[in-house]
Amino acid sequence: GAGVSQSPRYKVAKRGQDVALRCDPISGHVSLFWYQQALGQGPEFLTYFQNEAQLDKSGLPSDRFFAERPEGSVSTLKIQRTQQEDSAVYLCASSYTGVKYEQYFGPGTRLTVT
Amino acid sequence: AQSVTQPDIHITVSEGASLELRCNYSYGATPYLFWYVQSPGQGLQLLLKYFSGDTLVQGIKGFEAEFKRSQSSFNLRKPSVHCSDAAEFFCAVANPGGFKTIFGAGTRLFVKA
Repeated sequence: GAGVSQSPRYKVAKRGQDVALRCDPISGHVSLFWYQQALGQGPEFLTYFQNEAQLDKSGLPSDRFFAERPEGSVSTLKIQRTQQEDSAVYLCASSYTGVKYEQYFGPGTRLTVT
Repeated sequence: AQSVTQPDIHITVSEGASLELRCNYSYGATPYLFWYVQSPGQGLQLLLKYFSGDTLVQGIKGFEAEFKRSQSSFNLRKPSVHCSDAAEFFCAVANPGGFKTIFGAGTRLFVKA
């Protein structure tokens, strides 16, 4: 069956540009997670959705980062006024519900800010 | 605050040799514990998980892990490594009452033929 998909796979942005990263979770999965993975590091939690509700956004690094999941399915992570330190791979994962169930990860979007 | 430590940045083992990857966590109670693997060009995949009960858990691809509460450890093992096991391995913890999963920095496994 279809897994988690993310688009675009690669994004190059000039410093100061806004970007939008899309995540299509597995159909029927209630939970959706966003992570940021810097080179040589483990994924770092950004935010969590349960259906359309954003229940934890404690990992968002600044108010330039914004995520939404308006219909409880597709999610978008938006970064405004990108900075070089935003360069990373952004991973999306979905699970049946909550952290107890296996998280299925997408391939990630590699963002490079020049 | 929760944290996960994987002391080894990289490990090299010979094909057919045994493997142990170390993971220590910091958390007040017993968290949910996970091992994920990330192969080149592949997404992260769950190997195994521990919630409660039997402290030795079996996972996919012949991996197992043992939870030791006294040492706050959840080490991953495999009796005989294959070349195809070369990848990056991440230990992770989650608060049973929360929504956040904390990952370690990862251990990259190299396998010598």
